Amino acid sequence: AQSVTQLDSQVPVFEEAPVELRCNYSSSVSVYLFWYVQYPNQGLQLLLKYLSGSTLVKGINGFEAEFNKSQTSFHLRKPSVHISDTAEYFCAVRSSGSQGNLIFGKGTKLSVKP
Amino acid sequence: EADIYQTPRYLVIGTGKKITLECSQTMGHDKMYWYQQDPGMELHLIHYSYGVNSTEKGDLSSESTVSRIRTEHFPLTLESARPSHTSQYLCASTRMQGAYNEQFFGPGTRLTVL
Repeated sequence: AQSVTQLDSQVPVFEEAPVELRCNYSSSVSVYLFWYVQYPNQGLQLLLKYLSGSTLVKGINGFEAEFNKSQTSFHLRKPSVHISDTAEYFCAVRSSGSQGNLIFGKGTKLSVKP
Repeated sequence: EADIYQTPRYLVIGTGKKITLECSQTMGHDKMYWYQQDPGMELHLIHYSYGVNSTEKGDLSSESTVSRIRTEHFPLTLESARPSHTSQYLCASTRMQGAYNEQFFGPGTRLTVL
C-alpha cells in the first residue's frame, strides 16, 4: 500500500526567508503527486500537482515542487515566504492511470513570523 | 472557486444523539468523498461515492453511514454519537472523466461530542 511521509510536523520561519517542506512517498509505480494547503478554519485547496512531464512544477502563491523519482520525493519550496503563507500543507499521492483515491501525509504546519 | 458546501460548520452535541452532516456541491461532480481529520494526523478517507446510489467504505473504518440519492448531495449520519467521534469532517468532490481531475474540498464540519 502506498504511504506518504512528511518529515517535519512544524516548520517555523521568518518572513522573506526561503522554505522547503519535505515529502517522500513509498510507491514504486507511476504516481500522481499533489500539495494541498489548508488555512485556518477552511478546507483544503490544491497548491500544485505533478502528473507527468517536467519534474519542476509551479503552483499558486509562488510555490513550486520538484519530483525526484530516484529519491521518491516531492519537496515543496518557496524562495521568500509571507505572513499569509502561515497554514498547514499536505502532500498526497495517487497511482496514475486509475481512479484510485488520494493518500495523504500527516501535514506540515508552516508558521511565518515577522 | 469551488462550490462545495458543508453544514453545520461547528456542532457540539451530547453522547447518544443522532446527527447528520450535510455536504452539497453545485459542480455536477460524480465522485464525492468524506474524510476525517484529526490534529497532526493524515486525512483519512471514511466514505466515497461514484454517483447516485453508489456508496463505498474508505480506508478508515467508521461507524458513520452515508447516502447518495442526488448527485449534488452526500450526507453523513451518525446514529449515536460518542466522544470518540469528535473530529473534523471534510467533504470533497471531483469529476470522474479524464486522466486526473482535481478534488475540491468543502470548509469542513468540526464535531465535538461531549
